Amino acid sequence: GAGVSQSPSNKVTEKGKDVELRCDPISGHTALYWYRQSLGQGLEFLIYFQGNSAPDKSGLPSDRFSAERTGGSVSTLTIQRTQQEDSAVYLCASSLGTLRGYTFGSGTRLTVV
Amino acid sequence: KNEVEQSPQNLTAQEGEFITINCSYSVGISALHWLQQHPGGGIVSLFMLSSGKKKHGRLIATINIQEKHSSLHITASHPRDSAVYICAVTRGTDKLIFGTGTRLQVFP
Repeated sequence: GAGVSQSPSNKVTEKGKDVELRCDPISGHTALYWYRQSLGQGLEFLIYFQGNSAPDKSGLPSDRFSAERTGGSVSTLTIQRTQQEDSAVYLCASSLGTLRGYTFGSGTRLTVV
Repeated sequence: KNEVEQSPQNLTAQEGEFITINCSYSVGISALHWLQQHPGGGIVSLFMLSSGKKKHGRLIATINIQEKHSSLHITASHPRDSAVYICAVTRGTDKLIFGTGTRLQVFP
């Protein structure tokens, strides 16, 4: 597509439920990143996929968070047993690879009530 | 101490003023990025720098690798420039390490 597409744009879920957030990167972009921006906080790295390499999961805050990227394209970020502190905007970005510019999606605003 | 520090945290300006936002980092980097985030909006990548200077319209970004410092300049500022400007670096890998952002408000 023309840009990075994220869905849903907004998600309200009850504490303890699982959620799935989807990212559809720009076609041909080999690198895909998930970041999180909590209310009043800065941006933090979550996970990074580059081609067929093993993902860099070093930013995932707990084992309740996981992500996969199928066929080198669409990625899903899954949060199990959501907690209120998971409330944030989850941003996806893609790029052509090392030292190339990023294109960000518009984010998914997750609210855990 | 954050690896990426920005100043000022908040900035107000009158339309037409020249604006400078500063970014300092504490470790070696492979590239530095300037990003723009409008209220309620997504993030737009403005510049990626590894040396020297880049210009796009009224925006100019410079980097001094020896001093570990970068500046983002906006000439002839306009209310539509009001946004949060974020400095971020990559080092070794492509994951971004972000500064805390500078909130800019330009008044007519």
